[in-house]
Amino acid sequence: GAVVSQHPSWVICKSGTSVKIECRSLDFQATTMFWYRQFPKQSLMLMATSNEGSKATYEQGVEKDKFLINHASLTLSTLTVTSAHPEDSSFYICSAPDQYTNTDTQYFGPGTRLTVL
Amino acid sequence: EDQVTQSPEALRLQEGESSSLNCSYTVSGLRGLFWYRQDPGKGPEFLFTLYSAGEEKEKERLKATLTKKESFLHITAPKPEDSATYLCAVQEGDYKLSFGAGTTVTVRA
Repeated sequence: GAVVSQHPSWVICKSGTSVKIECRSLDFQATTMFWYRQFPKQSLMLMATSNEGSKATYEQGVEKDKFLINHASLTLSTLTVTSAHPEDSSFYICSAPDQYTNTDTQYFGPGTRLTVL
Repeated sequence: EDQVTQSPEALRLQEGESSSLNCSYTVSGLRGLFWYRQDPGKGPEFLFTLYSAGEEKEKERLKATLTKKESFLHITAPKPEDSATYLCAVQEGDYKLSFGAGTTVTVRA
Protein backbone atom coordinates (compact mmCIF):
# COMPACT_ATOMS: atom_id res chain seq x y z
CA GLY A 1 0.00 0.00 0.00
CA ALA A 2 0.89 3.66 -0.30
CA VAL A 3 2.99 5.30 2.42
CA VAL A 4 2.24 8.54 4.23
CA SER A 5 4.72 10.05 6.67
CA GLN A 6 4.37 12.74 9.32
CA HIS A 7 6.92 14.91 11.05
CA PRO A 8 7.47 15.30 13.90
CA SER A 9 6.10 12.20 15.59
CA TRP A 10 5.74 14.11 18.84
CA VAL A 11 6.21 17.68 19.98
CA ILE A 12 6.00 19.51 23.29
CA CYS A 13 5.58 23.26 23.26
CA LYS A 14 4.76 26.13 25.57
CA SER A 15 1.36 27.77 25.56
CA GLY A 16 1.19 30.61 23.05
CA THR A 17 3.70 29.22 20.59
CA SER A 18 3.00 27.86 17.11
CA VAL A 19 3.71 24.34 15.93
CA LYS A 20 3.99 23.06 12.37
CA ILE A 21 3.23 19.45 11.44
CA GLU A 22 4.18 18.03 8.04
CA CYS A 23 2.38 15.31 6.12
CA ARG A 24 4.01 13.73 3.09
CA SER A 25 2.88 11.14 0.58
CA LEU A 26 6.07 9.21 -0.12
CA ASP A 27 5.31 7.10 -3.17
CA PHE A 28 2.29 8.76 -4.74
CA GLN A 29 0.92 12.18 -5.48
CA ALA A 30 -2.00 13.54 -3.50
CA THR A 31 -3.98 16.55 -4.63
CA THR A 32 -6.13 16.10 -1.56
CA MET A 33 -5.10 15.33 2.00
CA PHE A 34 -7.09 15.22 5.21
CA TRP A 35 -6.27 16.28 8.76
CA TYR A 36 -7.82 14.57 11.76
CA ARG A 37 -7.47 14.90 15.49
CA GLN A 38 -8.00 12.15 18.00
CA PHE A 39 -8.47 12.52 21.74
CA PRO A 40 -7.66 9.64 24.09
CA LYS A 41 -10.01 6.69 23.68
CA GLN A 42 -12.01 8.52 21.03
CA SER A 43 -12.28 8.09 17.31
CA LEU A 44 -10.88 10.26 14.56
CA MET A 45 -12.56 13.58 13.95
CA LEU A 46 -12.05 15.23 10.58
CA MET A 47 -10.72 18.77 10.93
CA ALA A 48 -10.13 19.88 7.37
CA THR A 49 -9.54 18.92 3.77
CA SER A 50 -6.29 20.16 2.29
CA ASN A 51 -6.33 20.90 -1.43
CA GLU A 52 -3.21 21.40 -3.51
CA GLY A 53 -3.24 24.83 -5.08
CA SER A 54 -6.33 26.11 -3.31
CA LYS A 55 -7.68 26.92 0.12
CA ALA A 56 -8.38 24.25 2.66
CA THR A 57 -11.94 23.34 3.58
CA TYR A 58 -12.63 23.26 7.31
CA GLU A 59 -15.24 21.21 9.14
CA GLN A 60 -17.85 22.96 11.20
CA GLY A 61 -16.46 24.15 14.53
CA VAL A 62 -12.80 24.12 13.47
CA GLU A 63 -11.14 27.54 13.62
CA LYS A 64 -9.38 28.15 10.34
CA ASP A 65 -7.28 30.98 11.79
CA LYS A 66 -5.99 28.70 14.49
CA PHE A 67 -5.30 25.64 12.35
CA LEU A 68 -3.53 26.91 9.24
CA ILE A 69 -3.23 24.44 6.40
CA ASN A 70 -0.95 24.78 3.41
CA HIS A 71 -0.83 22.22 0.62
CA ALA A 72 2.47 23.30 -0.91
CA SER A 73 2.94 20.51 -3.43
CA LEU A 74 1.44 17.26 -4.63
CA THR A 75 3.26 15.39 -1.86
CA LEU A 76 3.24 17.81 1.09
CA SER A 77 0.60 19.34 3.33
CA THR A 78 1.34 21.22 6.54
CA LEU A 79 -0.83 21.95 9.56
CA THR A 80 0.23 24.84 11.78
CA VAL A 81 -1.37 25.14 15.18
CA THR A 82 -1.08 28.83 15.99
CA SER A 83 -0.96 30.20 19.53
CA ALA A 84 -1.34 26.71 20.93
CA HIS A 85 -3.05 26.18 24.27
CA PRO A 86 -3.30 23.10 26.49
CA GLU A 87 -6.71 22.24 25.06
CA ASP A 88 -5.04 21.81 21.66
CA SER A 89 -3.07 18.88 23.04
CA SER A 90 -4.12 15.90 20.96
CA PHE A 91 -3.03 13.30 18.44
CA TYR A 92 -3.04 14.78 14.94
CA ILE A 93 -3.21 12.41 11.98
CA CYS A 94 -3.18 13.09 8.26
CA SER A 95 -4.39 10.91 5.43
CA ALA A 96 -4.25 10.90 1.67
CA PRO A 97 -6.25 8.95 -0.89
CA ASP A 98 -4.30 7.21 -3.60
CA GLN A 99 -6.40 8.76 -6.32
CA TYR A 100 -4.55 7.11 -9.17
CA THR A 101 -5.41 3.51 -8.30
CA ASN A 102 -9.16 4.08 -8.47
CA THR A 103 -9.78 2.42 -5.12
CA ASP A 104 -10.69 5.47 -3.00
CA THR A 105 -8.52 3.98 -0.28
CA GLN A 106 -7.09 6.49 2.17
CA TYR A 107 -3.72 5.89 3.74
CA PHE A 108 -2.91 7.38 7.09
CA GLY A 109 0.25 8.80 8.52
CA PRO A 110 1.67 7.57 11.85
CA GLY A 111 0.33 10.61 13.70
CA THR A 112 1.85 13.49 15.67
CA ARG A 113 1.38 13.74 19.42
CA LEU A 114 1.13 17.40 20.44
CA THR A 115 1.45 18.36 24.08
CA VAL A 116 1.00 22.01 25.01
CA LEU A 117 2.26 22.97 28.45
CA GLU B 1 -25.89 13.30 8.60
CA ASP B 2 -23.84 10.14 8.37
CA GLN B 3 -23.91 7.87 11.37
CA VAL B 4 -21.55 5.03 12.03
CA THR B 5 -22.03 2.90 15.12
CA GLN B 6 -19.65 0.15 16.17
CA SER B 7 -20.33 -2.57 18.70
CA PRO B 8 -19.21 -3.76 21.08
CA GLU B 9 -16.98 -0.99 22.45
CA ALA B 10 -14.55 -3.56 23.81
CA LEU B 11 -14.04 -7.26 23.26
CA ARG B 12 -11.86 -9.57 25.32
CA LEU B 13 -11.09 -12.90 23.69
CA GLN B 14 -9.09 -15.94 24.54
CA GLU B 15 -6.56 -16.94 21.92
CA GLY B 16 -8.36 -19.07 19.35
CA GLU B 17 -11.82 -17.81 20.33
CA SER B 18 -13.46 -16.50 17.13
CA SER B 19 -15.80 -13.52 17.24
CA SER B 20 -17.36 -10.75 15.17
CA LEU B 21 -17.39 -6.96 15.33
CA ASN B 22 -20.32 -4.97 14.04
CA CYS B 23 -20.48 -1.67 12.18
CA SER B 24 -23.92 -0.27 11.38
CA TYR B 25 -24.28 2.80 9.22
CA THR B 26 -26.82 5.23 7.84
CA VAL B 27 -25.76 7.16 4.75
CA SER B 28 -27.72 8.47 1.84
CA GLY B 29 -25.35 7.01 -0.72
CA LEU B 30 -22.56 4.68 0.29
CA ARG B 31 -19.48 5.03 -1.86
CA GLY B 32 -17.38 2.66 0.23
CA LEU B 33 -17.00 1.16 3.70
CA PHE B 34 -13.52 0.87 5.14
CA TRP B 35 -12.02 -1.14 7.97
CA TYR B 36 -8.83 0.00 9.66
CA ARG B 37 -6.73 -1.33 12.49
CA GLN B 38 -5.17 1.11 14.93
CA ASP B 39 -2.51 0.26 17.48
CA PRO B 40 -1.98 2.59 20.48
CA GLY B 41 -0.13 5.77 19.54
CA LYS B 42 -0.14 4.99 15.82
CA GLY B 43 -2.12 5.95 12.76
CA PRO B 44 -4.81 3.67 11.33
CA GLU B 45 -3.64 0.85 9.11
CA PHE B 46 -5.80 0.00 6.12
CA LEU B 47 -7.44 -3.43 6.11
CA PHE B 48 -10.37 -3.60 3.68
CA THR B 49 -12.65 -1.62 1.40
CA LEU B 50 -16.16 -2.91 0.66
CA TYR B 51 -18.33 -1.31 -1.99
CA SER B 52 -21.58 -3.23 -2.35
CA ALA B 53 -23.89 -5.47 -0.35
CA GLY B 54 -22.84 -9.09 -0.46
CA GLU B 55 -19.18 -8.31 -0.91
CA GLU B 56 -16.65 -10.14 1.25
CA LYS B 57 -12.89 -9.72 1.69
CA GLU B 58 -10.37 -11.74 3.65
CA LYS B 59 -6.90 -11.18 4.99
CA GLU B 60 -5.27 -13.81 7.18
CA ARG B 61 -7.59 -14.29 10.19
CA LEU B 62 -9.85 -11.36 9.27
CA LYS B 63 -12.91 -11.40 7.05
CA ALA B 64 -15.12 -8.41 6.31
CA THR B 65 -18.65 -8.59 4.98
CA LEU B 66 -21.16 -5.95 3.94
CA THR B 67 -24.94 -5.68 3.86
CA LYS B 68 -27.09 -2.67 3.02
CA LYS B 69 -27.09 -1.49 6.64
CA GLU B 70 -24.07 -3.00 8.35
CA SER B 71 -20.70 -4.58 8.05
CA PHE B 72 -19.11 -7.32 10.10
CA LEU B 73 -15.46 -7.97 10.78
CA HIS B 74 -14.98 -11.61 11.68
CA ILE B 75 -11.83 -12.63 13.53
CA THR B 76 -11.14 -16.34 13.24
CA ALA B 77 -8.90 -18.05 15.79
CA PRO B 78 -7.37 -14.77 16.96
CA LYS B 79 -3.84 -14.45 18.26
CA PRO B 80 -2.50 -11.91 20.78
CA GLU B 81 -1.04 -9.89 17.91
CA ASP B 82 -4.58 -9.24 16.69
CA SER B 83 -5.12 -7.05 19.75
CA ALA B 84 -5.89 -3.52 18.51
CA THR B 85 -8.71 -1.06 17.98
CA TYR B 86 -10.66 -1.77 14.81
CA LEU B 87 -12.21 1.24 13.14
CA CYS B 88 -15.02 1.30 10.62
CA ALA B 89 -15.52 4.30 8.32
CA VAL B 90 -17.97 5.16 5.56
CA GLN B 91 -17.38 7.31 2.53
CA GLU B 92 -20.24 9.14 0.94
CA GLY B 93 -18.32 11.26 -1.54
CA ASP B 94 -15.20 13.35 -2.15
CA TYR B 95 -13.03 10.92 -0.19
CA LYS B 96 -14.27 12.22 3.19
CA LEU B 97 -14.57 9.49 5.79
CA SER B 98 -16.88 9.32 8.80
CA PHE B 99 -15.52 7.06 11.49
CA GLY B 100 -17.18 4.98 14.14
CA ALA B 101 -15.89 5.02 17.70
CA GLY B 102 -14.07 1.73 17.23
CA THR B 103 -13.96 -1.65 18.93
CA THR B 104 -10.97 -2.39 21.12
CA VAL B 105 -10.06 -6.06 20.88
CA THR B 106 -7.83 -7.73 23.47
CA VAL B 107 -6.71 -11.29 22.82
CA ARG B 108 -5.23 -13.16 25.76
CA ALA B 109 -2.78 -15.98 25.29
